[in-house]
Amino acid sequence: NAGVTQTPKFQVLKTGQSMTLQCAQDMNHEYMSWYRQDPGMGLRLIHYSVGAGITDQGEVPNGYNVSRSTTEDFPLRLLSAAPSQTSVYFCASSYELGQTNTGELFFGEGSRLTVL
Amino acid sequence: DAKTTQPPSMDCAEGRAANLPCNHSTISGNEYVYWYRQIHSQGPQYIIHGLKNNETNEMASLIITEDRKSSTLILPHATLRDTAVYYCIVRVANDYKLSFGAGTTVTVRA
Repeated sequence: NAGVTQTPKFQVLKTGQSMTLQCAQDMNHEYMSWYRQDPGMGLRLIHYSVGAGITDQGEVPNGYNVSRSTTEDFPLRLLSAAPSQTSVYFCASSYELGQTNTGELFFGEGSRLTVL
Repeated sequence: DAKTTQPPSMDCAEGRAANLPCNHSTISGNEYVYWYRQIHSQGPQYIIHGLKNNETNEMASLIITEDRKSSTLILPHATLRDTAVYYCIVRVANDYKLSFGAGTTVTVRA
């Protein structure tokens, strides 16, 4: 039971570098999303997707790109890393909303990113 | 979006019930109340949700006032492993997105 898998768990970048955080789920969830969490704060939505080929912006999308070519994968790309992007990133997924499910979001374990 | 208000922190004795309050005075008729918790900076974990009736599952009970302007999450017998940040979230029925506030930091003491 893998659930939501995020890689890498830890990453250190230099300002200006680019990288991709990977997120994969094996539950056939339609909905996937990325959040960031800064110290002492709640989670903020970066981008989300309601199905393959469909993505949309969340609360704090600037500096990040996403794509959804398959149902299983939802990578988050940092185009040119900045120290303000130092954070913990969480990927989450959910079944398609309906009356027969709870709408529960399943979260990965997080990816801790430091930008120097 | 309706917003929620939670106390920033609370303590609870091990073995006792923990009652976590949440105010959501501007909640709309099609908005649910969800509770999640986050242990040690792990990914948040779903606890329970409800619309207007009280709900109970193996983890907790959710009591929603008749006017739906507030709710209480009850952990019936708190253990040290229940130490976590608890988030009360209001969610529109047909919207996947969840908006997390600062939550309540619950510390269960032996």
